[in-house]
Amino acid sequence: EAGVAQSPRYKIIEKRQSVAFWCNPISGHATLYWYQQILGQGPKLLIQFQNNGVVDDSQLPKDRFSAERLKGVDSTLKIQPAKLEDSAVYLCASSLGVGEQPQHFGDGTRLSIL
Amino acid sequence: GNSVTQMEGPVTLSEEAFLTINCTYTATGYPSLFWYVQYPGEGLQLLLKATKADDKGSNKGFEATYRKETTSFHLEKGSVQVSDSAVYFCALTGPYNQGGKLIFGQGTELSVKP
Repeated sequence: EAGVAQSPRYKIIEKRQSVAFWCNPISGHATLYWYQQILGQGPKLLIQFQNNGVVDDSQLPKDRFSAERLKGVDSTLKIQPAKLEDSAVYLCASSLGVGEQPQHFGDGTRLSIL
Repeated sequence: GNSVTQMEGPVTLSEEAFLTINCTYTATGYPSLFWYVQYPGEGLQLLLKATKADDKGSNKGFEATYRKETTSFHLEKGSVQVSDSAVYFCALTGPYNQGGKLIFGQGTELSVKP
């Protein structure tokens, strides 16, 4: 089966600019996660979707971050405006359903803020 | 809240050496415990898991036992190979499921020399 697809792989922007990341989960996976992995740290959940509804967005900085999964398949994560501390790898993961393991991870998007 | 603490890296070993990476957790109730591995430039992959006390997870020569009394889930391998060089993350999902989100430790980098 095809894995979780993410794009772009790398992105460099200046602070205060905006950026968007795309994720296509494994076919049939109802649950989609976005994690932020800052260098030297473990991934931290930003937002979790079940189909096109939000399950958990308690750690999402909503003043600058937004995410959507309009048709319950692929998803977009946006940052506007970006800050220096947003430099990180953004990982997308999917699973069959809420609470189902394992989560399957994409290769991530590495974001650098200048 | 729930948390995971791992031994700090990097850990450098010679090929065929014995590996232990320590992991302890804090959680109310009985979480499920996981080890994920991240090879350079790739996303995370599930290595092994244990869902209840005294369970032993194993895969590719790696083992970890869920120890409730010491709240630990240490990763071990009897003889490491150069190809095991990667970053290893201990993680948990909260008891009562809590949506299945993973809470990760900070990661331990392993480097195996020929």
